[in-house]
Amino acid sequence: GENVEQHPSTLSVQEGDSAVIKCTYSDSASNYFPWYKQELGKRPQLIIDIRSNVGEKKDQRIAVTLNKTAKHFSLHITETQPEDSAVYFCAAQYNFNKFYFGSGTKLNVKP
Amino acid sequence: DAGVTQSPTHLIKTRGQQVTLRCSPKSGHDTVSWYQQALGQGPQFIFQYYEEEERQRGNFPDRFSGHQFPNYSSELNVNALLLGDSALYLCASSKTGTGEEKLFFGSGTQLSVL
Repeated sequence: GENVEQHPSTLSVQEGDSAVIKCTYSDSASNYFPWYKQELGKRPQLIIDIRSNVGEKKDQRIAVTLNKTAKHFSLHITETQPEDSAVYFCAAQYNFNKFYFGSGTKLNVKP
Repeated sequence: DAGVTQSPTHLIKTRGQQVTLRCSPKSGHDTVSWYQQALGQGPQFIFQYYEEEERQRGNFPDRFSGHQFPNYSSELNVNALLLGDSALYLCASSKTGTGEEKLFFGSGTQLSVL
């Protein structure tokens, strides 16, 4: 069945360093891959997304890459700041806007 | 422009009871999806409502049911509550058919089953 695997489960970096979170998905029919940031006690918020006809997308310090052949996609955060500390979820869209989520990565940016 | 709103924010129930959670979608959205988020886990898809009908369903038992109203708002009902139903229940809305079907989440209802 549909599945999204996410690694690592926790990630600790020094402020200013880069952070990379990786996901794999199982259904080759997936064509839309969003990333969400969830701070403690708050709703998941969409931070960036990518469609299957694009290999890379950037938005300031955040970028997402997609390898459709390998069914991999990754989130890259450069020049990390303490306010980037949160749990990040990847997701893959299946038919009719049904999403499967990864299990999350807790990012800790140390000042 | 109001975002996705959910009520109540917190709820405490006992095993065997029934619960109803409510969601109003973001203005302009017509599709509502419900997700269950257990502590330390990613959201799990429960079901989705569009045009007042359940369009898709995840791997959840029939104790979980829902409804969508003509104004696109939605309810999630859970019968015969189990301890394992304790979780954050998230509602997400989207607009079907636009090609830009991004999900927007509400703040969730934290359900505790004792």
